[in-house]
Amino acid sequence: EIVLTQSPGTLSLSPGEGATLSCRASQSVSNYLAWYQQKPGQAPRLLIYAASSRATGIPDRFSGGGSDTDFTLAISRLEPEDFAVYYCQQYAFASTFGGGTKVDFK
Amino acid sequence: QVQLVQSGTEVKKPGASVKVSCKASGYTLSNFGINWVRQAPGQGLEWMGWISAYNGNTKFAQKFHGRVTLTTDTSRSIAYMDLRNLRSDDTAVYYCARGGIAAPTKFDYWGQGTLITVSS
Repeated sequence: EIVLTQSPGTLSLSPGEGATLSCRASQSVSNYLAWYQQKPGQAPRLLIYAASSRATGIPDRFSGGGSDTDFTLAISRLEPEDFAVYYCQQYAFASTFGGGTKVDFK
Repeated sequence: QVQLVQSGTEVKKPGASVKVSCKASGYTLSNFGINWVRQAPGQGLEWMGWISAYNGNTKFAQKFHGRVTLTTDTSRSIAYMDLRNLRSDDTAVYYCARGGIAAPTKFDYWGQGTLITVSS
């Protein structure tokens, strides 16, 4: 089973700042990686798939990068609605999720 | 618009089984797959398994092999997840999410979640 390790566990930032979240895979997943945002009491929402493609309706302040084992999700200017938990997911071999990164208010 | 609507909250005793449904609308179920993901209270997301609604092929996370059954009824556009021999650590919100026809892929639409509580 492929293990995804996300870092940091928590990112404390202010609106307007940029954020960079990391996801590392235990073996290569090529570009079969997605990112999700989850707010309390809600289902996750797809942000990025194929490592760098934005899902429908996702603002361009969200961008994904990387390949093989190292991936990043960048948020260029945090809006108040961006404070949430973010998960990466690989779908190269069945599927697994990372443990999540919480972006909260500094 | 694509929607996945799940069945309601359940409370079960240890050792029992539970069956959660996921009704798809706004697209043809048999052109895609359905994934099942769970989230224990205060915890992260855990992928359980996937079924192709086209041919019934399945994939499962190792820990759920033999305890989970996934099925679809394409005539009614409904997917089902059956979890047996429930334990207290199965208490979680269970989500269905649309995936690929031949593999789990990205999960582009999600159900609202179904809370399953296992308690004696």
